[in-house]
Amino acid sequence: SQTIHQWPATLVQPVGSPLSLECTVEGTSNPNLYWYRQAAGRGLQLLFYSVGIGQISSEVPQNLSASRPQDRQFILSSKKLLLSDSGFYLCAWSEGTTNEKLFFGSGTQLSVL
Amino acid sequence: QKEVEQNSGPLSVPEGAIASLNCTYSDRGSQSFFWYRQYSGKSPELIMSIYSNGDKEDGRFTAQLNKASQYVSLLIRDSQPSDSATYLCAVNSPNSNSGYALNFGKGTSLLVTP
Repeated sequence: SQTIHQWPATLVQPVGSPLSLECTVEGTSNPNLYWYRQAAGRGLQLLFYSVGIGQISSEVPQNLSASRPQDRQFILSSKKLLLSDSGFYLCAWSEGTTNEKLFFGSGTQLSVL
Repeated sequence: QKEVEQNSGPLSVPEGAIASLNCTYSDRGSQSFFWYRQYSGKSPELIMSIYSNGDKEDGRFTAQLNKASQYVSLLIRDSQPSDSATYLCAVNSPNSNSGYALNFGKGTSLLVTP
């Protein structure tokens, strides 16, 4: 069966520091991969998605970036965090079909202070 | 902007009652519709999916879809305190850059009281 791993579970970072969140999927090949952010009172916001290695699409302008160095690995990064980057970050995967069910990792609660 | 709208609640129902959660969406090209349950501090968990007009039942859950009215709902029968959570409506809309990302509503908070 498929599983998705996301770490760390919680992270407290100072403003201006770098960020790296990692996500890996097991038990499937060539998944679509996603990064969402959930901020208080704002719902789930799609940040990036990827349909293959090295293929990244960004949904919103921001100081975050994403990379997919391997088929089942998705990384979210920032060179300098802002206070507004605080939130609950969720990695997700789906099969590459049109009627896709999305499955989420356990999430990372990021607090930028 | 493709919108998915939900009443934020909280929706309070007594134990054993039917909870009715509603969602509207703006993109008529939407093809797939999902309900997720999210407990506080946890990630969303898929509980129902529906693709065609009508009702789909799975245990105590029933999803209802009306594409003409752009409306999808979730009914929870015999509500239990463990059903207390935020329920997210998600709609699949074709993306011009390929890949089919889901648009989420902000969620409805459900409280089932003993």
